[in-house]
Amino acid sequence: GQQLNQSPQSMFIQEGEDVSMNCTSSSIFNTWLWYKQDPGEGPVLLIALYKAGELTSNGRLTAQFGITRKDSFLNISASIPSDVGIYFCAGQNNFNKFYFGSGTKLNVKP
Amino acid sequence: SAVISQKPSRDICQRGTSLTIQCQVDSQVTMMFWYRQQPGQSLTLIATANQGSEATYESGFVIDKFPISRPNLTFSTLTVSNMSPEDSSIYLCSVGPLNTEAFFGQGTRLTVV
Repeated sequence: GQQLNQSPQSMFIQEGEDVSMNCTSSSIFNTWLWYKQDPGEGPVLLIALYKAGELTSNGRLTAQFGITRKDSFLNISASIPSDVGIYFCAGQNNFNKFYFGSGTKLNVKP
Repeated sequence: SAVISQKPSRDICQRGTSLTIQCQVDSQVTMMFWYRQQPGQSLTLIATANQGSEATYESGFVIDKFPISRPNLTFSTLTVSNMSPEDSSIYLCSVGPLNTEAFFGQGTRLTVV
């Protein structure tokens, strides 16, 4: 399958700080998605991006679809303890398949 | 969005046995996918479940080990055959109508002992 490089692998931050994570790929994707997964649960969609260059916000979350279609970033502003979890990027290719990054584990200290 | 129900939510199985996981969607969907998430890892696509024809498997996954059925547009099953401890994972069903987001069920947590 196609490989997505997601970084950082993990982050330890203080409550109130901003967070940034990103994904890069050697392949072009038509859609970039960002998911959050809590322990024992399936991934939950946070933001979907459909066009190169698109910048989309969802509350304190902001994500961008890179202009080359090979990368995306997710920013979380003013982090709170419930932001703790694992964040995955996913890219959708021409065959409507989704490939996932390795995940960023976010820890927020109150 | 789509509501996806997976059964069972978790199971503990003996090695050498098989387990069939069911995925039910509350609306007709074009695409259904099965993923595996090994402990501490990301999600890996196993196969695309095709309605009315054989599933399309990703590299490293074969039909004999992971037979898949898709009898209609709202239901699919994944069987994990002849299980070994290495098959202990979360198995996730996903649906994705063309050009829209992939939605996931809550997953099936499988432990093989």
